[in-house]
Amino acid sequence: QSVLTQPPSVSAAPGQKVTISCSGSSSNIGNNYVSWYQHLPGTVPKLLIYENNKRPSGIPDRFSGSKSGTSATLGISGLQTGDEADYYCGTWDSSLNAGVFGGGTKLTVL
Amino acid sequence: QVQLQESGPGLVKPSETLSLTCTVSGASISSYYWSWIRQPPGKGLEWIGYKYDSGSSSYNPSLKSRGTISVDRSKSQISLKLSSVTAADTAVYYCATMRTGAFEYWGQGTLVTVSS
Repeated sequence: QSVLTQPPSVSAAPGQKVTISCSGSSSNIGNNYVSWYQHLPGTVPKLLIYENNKRPSGIPDRFSGSKSGTSATLGISGLQTGDEADYYCGTWDSSLNAGVFGGGTKLTVL
Repeated sequence: QVQLQESGPGLVKPSETLSLTCTVSGASISSYYWSWIRQPPGKGLEWIGYKYDSGSSSYNPSLKSRGTISVDRSKSQISLKLSSVTAADTAVYYCATMRTGAFEYWGQGTLVTVSS
């Protein structure tokens, strides 16, 4: 059981936009930065978003992040078949004094 | 460019200690917090812990004090030791840089199987 809750799967058609939610509590998302990761099969997880809504160099602006209260959202617009992957949210939990991840969301581009 | 490379035994016997090393290039050890993260087969990512140079550290409470992360500045290496392993510790283990709670640079990962 993950500390952060994500939907197990989402799907959308190529070119469309999809959002992935990440729900937590005041001890984690509510008071700490959220980051998002893309994990393609057989590859290394890639940082997509850090500090709630910032993109590392090289990450296209099709990927966006937002946070409100104890929830965060990853948005992916202009979906491509290459976006099919598992997506994870992560943050720090001040009560556990530990890093925590969501359970992951599998994105299918139909 | 920061590059991380994990190394260590791919097979560990139950009740023994898992030992992994992460060799860092392209960055100073003092520039980052260093984390270990793992992914059991078919499951999600799990944070193991972090260490900052010779300073602060923290570990996932779920490990029940079995984990130790250390930093060797002279070798530019970060090591992980996980004691009393069971089959539940079978996973791909990654080392990664950690800054403001985000993991930017990752190693390629190394699969460790716990089996007799």
